[in-house]
Parts: sequence; structure tokens; C-alpha cells
Amino acid sequence: EAGVAQSPRYKIIEKRQSVAFWCNPISGHATLYWYQQILGQGPKLLIQFQNNGVVDDSQLPKDRFSAERLKGVDSTLKIQPAKLEDSAVYLCASSHRLAGGLETQYFGPGTRLLVL
Amino acid sequence: SQQGEEDPQALSIQEGENATMNCSYKTSINNLQWYRQNSGRGLVHLILIRSNEREKHSGRLRVTLDTSKKSSSLLITASRAADTASYFCATDDPGGGADGLTFGKGTHLIIQP
Repeated sequence: EAGVAQSPRYKIIEKRQSVAFWCNPISGHATLYWYQQILGQGPKLLIQFQNNGVVDDSQLPKDRFSAERLKGVDSTLKIQPAKLEDSAVYLCASSHRLAGGLETQYFGPGTRLLVL
Repeated sequence: SQQGEEDPQALSIQEGENATMNCSYKTSINNLQWYRQNSGRGLVHLILIRSNEREKHSGRLRVTLDTSKKSSSLLITASRAADTASYFCATDDPGGGADGLTFGKGTHLIIQP
């Protein structure tokens, strides 16, 4: 079974530029998550999708971050404009989980973003 | 905010020794999970323990959960160099339909050969 795929693996941009990350979850996984992991800290949830709907985006800085999962499969996370403090690893995860129940989340390798 | 807090922040032991990491959390949970993260890589799920369980084993891993103290421990027995990684505990929020995990800051484990 193929794992969660993410691209690009690395990205370096200047502040105020825009950047987009792509995630392809494990086939058949209804739920997709984006996490931000700042160096030295644990991952922090940004947004959770169930199929193509948003379940939780309470920690997403909506003035600059946006995410979509239009067909309920792939997802993109965008930052516009980027700030220095956005430098982090952006992790995508997926799970079988539907409403209720309990499932393991499977993580992709992450995209390491450096904002200069 | 961080829900789980791991202790210690860093741990260095000799290969073959046992490693114990602790996690404390603040609010009620449905389950607690432990993940491993090798340098520059994604997180790998290790073990999940439900709130009504007290202990769980998986290979060289042993996890305990004390909901009265809101704490968990992860024991790795007979450590190997390949166990060098950061270990995170993660908890869910039992309320509502969202189930994004809340992670602690992690314990960085170094196994000396």
C-alpha cells in the first residue's frame, strides 16, 4: 500500500511570496489533515477534511493560509503572503476515520519550508 | 496550545538499555498515541492506548496510561541504535467530530552504540 505523498519536499522562498504544498493521501482514506511542525516542537493541527468538507480549521491562520480538497482526494495548502514565522515542516496525514470511531493517522514525509 | 508534554526533553542511553519517556496531558481523552519521528522524516505511529486501558504492549514497546493522573509512559526495552529518534505523545479531543491530534513537544532519544 502506497503511503501519503507530499511535494515538494523542500521549498525556500522570500517573505511576502506565495507557496503551495500538495498532498495525496492513502487511497480510500476519507479524512485528511494538515499539520505545521516548527523546529523543536510537536506538530500542530492546521485543518482537517472529511472527504471534501472542512471538519476543523480553528487553528488555521485564515488571513494568509488556505487549503482545499476539491474532489475529496488530493489536497493543497497555500500560504500567501508568507512570513518568516511560517518556516516549518508541513505534514499531511490521512486516516480511514469517519464520524466517530478511531483510526490511526498515517503521515507523509512533510514539506520543509524556509522563509527568508 | 500543547496538550501533551513529554518528559524528559532529551534522553541519551547506551544500546541495550531500556528507555522510558513520560507524557502528561491536561484534558480528558478518548485515546493516547505515541509516534516516532526520525530526523527529517514524517511521523510513524507506534502504539495507541484507549482511555479504558491501563497497559499495552507491542514488540519492545510498553505503554501505560493513568487517566487519574493524566499521564502515560512509553518504555522501549533493549534499545537499539535505530531507536534514535524523537518520540511524541498525541491525544485526541473527545468532543465533537474533529479528531485532529494534539502533540507534545517530544522527547529526543539518542542511543549510544
